[in-house]
Amino acid sequence: GQQLNQSPQSMFIQEGEDVSMNCTSSSIFNTWLWYKQDPGEGPVLLIALYKAGELTSNGRLTAQFGITRKDSFLNISASIPSDVGIYFCAGRSNTGKLIFGQGTTLQVKP
Amino acid sequence: ETGVTQTPRHLVMGMTNKKSLKCEQHLGHNAMYWYKQSAKKPLELMFVYNFKEQTENNSVPSRFSPECPNSSHLFLHLHTLQPEDSALYLCASSQDRGLGLNEQFFGPGTRLTVL
Repeated sequence: GQQLNQSPQSMFIQEGEDVSMNCTSSSIFNTWLWYKQDPGEGPVLLIALYKAGELTSNGRLTAQFGITRKDSFLNISASIPSDVGIYFCAGRSNTGKLIFGQGTTLQVKP
Repeated sequence: ETGVTQTPRHLVMGMTNKKSLKCEQHLGHNAMYWYKQSAKKPLELMFVYNFKEQTENNSVPSRFSPECPNSSHLFLHLHTLQPEDSALYLCASSQDRGLGLNEQFFGPGTRLTVL
């Protein structure tokens, strides 16, 4: 079946540093989504991408829909302690099925 | 607050117990979903309901039984579970199950522990 490979699996960074994570797939997707999950909560949608090459920002977060439609990345600039959590990518195929990545656990040291 | 609530937030049950998880969405959506989230694994879609009709069952064991009495409420009935069923169970909703701009909003989840 379709799978997403999300990397890195975890990151431990200093406050103020920039962060980059990505998802790749062997299949083409029509939509890429990025979610954040805080401890003890459900995932919250951060950014949605609907066109190949699209670059979208949400505050300090920037995400891009890869030109090949098989990948996407998320960047966080100037990280702060509240950025801590698990970040998930998700891709939607032309069948409408949503596939999730394994998640990137981010820890920020003040 | 995403507009999707789940109760209880935590549940501990024995393998012979019967319990139910409840999800309610206040967003006017027509599609609702149950996911299982285990540590270090991607979210696993279990069931999908669209306009109260079940449209997907991803080979979920029969010890999990969903119920969708209306578009705002979704239940997951549990009986004779196994310890490996311990996980975070997430409910989500979306406008419908179509292919358009139709993103899912998640509840906070129920942390289930099966002893």
